[in-house]
Amino acid sequence: GESVGLHLPTLSVQEGDNSIINCAYSNSASDYFIWYKQESGKGPQFIIDIRSNMDKRQGQRVTVLLNKTVKHLSLQIAATQPGDSAVYFCAERGTDSWGKLQFGAGTQVVVTP
Amino acid sequence: DTEVTQTPKHLVMGMTNKKSLKCEQHMGHRAMYWYKQKAKKPPELMFVYSYEKLSINESVPSRFSPECPNSSLLNLHLHALQPEDSALYLCASSQFRSVGTEAFFGQGTRLTVV
Repeated sequence: GESVGLHLPTLSVQEGDNSIINCAYSNSASDYFIWYKQESGKGPQFIIDIRSNMDKRQGQRVTVLLNKTVKHLSLQIAATQPGDSAVYFCAERGTDSWGKLQFGAGTQVVVTP
Repeated sequence: DTEVTQTPKHLVMGMTNKKSLKCEQHMGHRAMYWYKQKAKKPPELMFVYSYEKLSINESVPSRFSPECPNSSLLNLHLHALQPEDSALYLCASSQFRSVGTEAFFGQGTRLTVV
């Protein structure tokens, strides 16, 4: 399944399928991006990051793609599992010296059996 | 140790009360942050401390007063809060304030103002 983080806040995906979560970021000067996972009642948990000098980065079952031309970021989760059910936030970090994180609106991922 | 520890986990306070939220990390991080998160919304930055000095105050009302006693501790003092201040308050830390270092978040304090 595929979701645009800012326009489709909920993504329902069947267990075992691949998930794609999209995020449109706002600042063309941002040069560092992070995906966080937040489970109910918990704080955001780091998943994967990418610098702007890269187009793709892979982790364990996750891949982040960065398209600077259209200011678009995506998170792909392979073989989605029930434990992947959570809200996923993209965050961009500006080039100012304080490293403020600007979070996207978030996408709720619901994994169905 | 890659944890940011926040206490208490839950807090209910009246509008005339004074309370404090506490945050602790032992990762040697020199940047620490307070965020506020309302239900179904992303975290919103409130304060940034860098090397124990307040670097950023995102126009937060004075009823929220941060304090950084040392490089491992961050407090948020609360006084005369309003019901709309009820939210999840998240503390985070990062190794440096600059690009390329992730922020580690605590589990948050769920605050209810009555």
